[in-house]
Amino acid sequence: SQKIEQNSEALNIQEGKTATLTCNYTNYSPAYLQWYRQDPGRGPVFLLLIRENEKEKRKERLKVTFDTTLKQSLFHITASQPADSATYLCALSSSASKIIFGSGTRLSIRP
Amino acid sequence: EPEVTQTPSHQVTQMGQEVILRCVPISNHLYFYWYRQILGQKVEFLVSFYNNEISEKSEIFDDQFSVERPDGSNFTLKIRSTKLEDSAMYFCASRRTDTGGSNEQFFGPGTRLTVL
Repeated sequence: SQKIEQNSEALNIQEGKTATLTCNYTNYSPAYLQWYRQDPGRGPVFLLLIRENEKEKRKERLKVTFDTTLKQSLFHITASQPADSATYLCALSSSASKIIFGSGTRLSIRP
Repeated sequence: EPEVTQTPSHQVTQMGQEVILRCVPISNHLYFYWYRQILGQKVEFLVSFYNNEISEKSEIFDDQFSVERPDGSNFTLKIRSTKLEDSAMYFCASRRTDTGGSNEQFFGPGTRLTVL
């Protein structure tokens, strides 16, 4: 069955540093890989989407890489701020179908 | 900025009772979804809906569940006879159709369902 692993349940880093989150998947060939942010008690908020034929995508302080050979995505937040503290969800999908979510990495940025 | 809205924010019900969770998707979106998240667990897909019919559903979405778009703005999830294990956050999501085939979905704030 399809499986998504986000290799850290929690990540704690110093403000100003770059946070790097990892997502690995098996038994799936997604057309799209997405990253969402989720705050406690709230719904997921879309951040970035990268297609299977793209290697890297950037948006402001965010960067996503997608390696379909390794079946892995890396999500980077540069110049991290305490406001970036949240759970980040990796998600896979094909066309307009369901999104399959990972269990998330809880990121804490300490001042 | 337009957003998905959901009501109620919290629903408490007795086991065996019927509940209806309501969602208003973003107005120009045509694909609609329901997901759920049991406390401390992953967000799980329940059902997708397009052109007034279910396009895909998960194993969770059994005969106790149904969805409806009763008018041009609302999208509802009904659970006919709630069970304790239905307690979860239920998220509605919607998607545009002009995103070049991508699947960027916009989520509502969720309804917390508590079954006693």
